[in-house]
Amino acid sequence: AQSVTQPDIHITVSEGASLELRCNYSYGATPYLFWYVQSPGQGLQLLLKYFSGDTLVQGIKGFEAEFKRSQSSFNLRKPSVHWSDAAEYFCAVGRRGSQGNLIFGKGTKLSVKP
Amino acid sequence: GAGVSQTPSNKVTEKGKYVELRCDPISGHTALYWYRQSLGQGPEFLIYFQGTGAADDSGLPNDRFFAVRPEGSVSTLKIQRTERGDSAVYLCASSLTLAGGREQFFGPGTRLTVL
Repeated sequence: AQSVTQPDIHITVSEGASLELRCNYSYGATPYLFWYVQSPGQGLQLLLKYFSGDTLVQGIKGFEAEFKRSQSSFNLRKPSVHWSDAAEYFCAVGRRGSQGNLIFGKGTKLSVKP
Repeated sequence: GAGVSQTPSNKVTEKGKYVELRCDPISGHTALYWYRQSLGQGPEFLIYFQGTGAADDSGLPNDRFFAVRPEGSVSTLKIQRTERGDSAVYLCASSLTLAGGREQFFGPGTRLTVL
């Protein structure tokens, strides 16, 4: 069965520091890969997605992610974190073909200290 | 344009009662999904629709849960004989088509509390 692992439940970084959130997946083939962000009281917002091609994907708000097939990973990065980035981040996989539902990880909560 | 809307935003009910949660997808989106997010967890798939028909309901936890989308737009998630374990945020999402990889746009969710 497909699964997504986000090994870090909670991460705290200083404002201006770099950030990397880890995501590993289990899937028989290369899935579609997504990162969503959820701020308190708000819906999930898509940050970026990987379908195929270039393994380094650029997203909104200065985020990027790199797909590494050999490690079954899709880690999210940002070179300089802003206080407004404090939120919960979810990695998700989608199966190729017509089965459109997403499988989410448990999320990583990001806190930003001044 | 308008995003996905869900009503009510909060619902408090008593154990054993029946509840209905409504989702209004983005206009023109044929695919609609329901997820459930328990405290400290990521969203878990419940059911999705392509048009009016349920394409996959394998995520519904038991037969107390049912969802409809009679006209291919608005959907209602129905929970009978609610239990305390049903307390969670219920998320709805829509996408242009059901094809895997299409971006899903999420609503703000309905927080259900069963006392």
